[in-house]
Amino acid sequence: DVKVTQSSRYLVKRTGEKVFLECVQDMDHENMFWYRQDPGLGLRLIYFSYDVKMKEKGDIPEGYSVSREKKERFSLILESASTNQTSMYLCASTRAGTSDNQPQHFGDGTRLSIL
Amino acid sequence: AQKVTQAQTEISVVEKEDVTLDCVYETRDTTYYLFWYKQPPSGELVFLIRRNSFDEQNEISGRYSWNFQKSTSSFNFTITASQVVDSAVYFCALSQYSTLTFGKGTMLLVSP
Repeated sequence: DVKVTQSSRYLVKRTGEKVFLECVQDMDHENMFWYRQDPGLGLRLIYFSYDVKMKEKGDIPEGYSVSREKKERFSLILESASTNQTSMYLCASTRAGTSDNQPQHFGDGTRLSIL
Repeated sequence: AQKVTQAQTEISVVEKEDVTLDCVYETRDTTYYLFWYKQPPSGELVFLIRRNSFDEQNEISGRYSWNFQKSTSSFNFTITASQVVDSAVYFCALSQYSTLTFGKGTMLLVSP
């Protein structure tokens, strides 16, 4: 089974801090994704990556950056955390190539609170 | 632009009732994939089914069934004889070029 592991289930940070959310997958997937989930808004794509050192903006990239130095690891960075970034963050991965028909596999999520 | 609409925000049923979750999508592409995911209270999203745009056959898996109708751009999900363990948020999603567009989700509450 695919395992997508997010480093923290719960995280509390302060406004202005630089925050790192880590995600690791163990199935050698090329594609990795970061979403945020808010009540009434569903899941929205922040960034995704097709390969090491590659990144693409999703629907809501403002205030975030990402890093993909190794294939198995995809980091989401909040450069200067703000209270409106309090949310549930979900990481996902999938195989490339025919990936339109491959389901994304999700981690358990990180519930981030910015005080 | 792609869009997925799940008009039902929350549905409450009593155990053993049948329930249908609606999903309507918009896309200009002729090739696309549709998915359903389940998110139980524990938080992780669990993949349930995918369907490509060329396969309009309905599918049944145990108590779950899916009705894909291209003519109405709908991909509805029915749970037969619901159980308390079915309580979760269910997301419909549309895939193109490896990214997913999600609906806002339907919260299903099944009471004993």
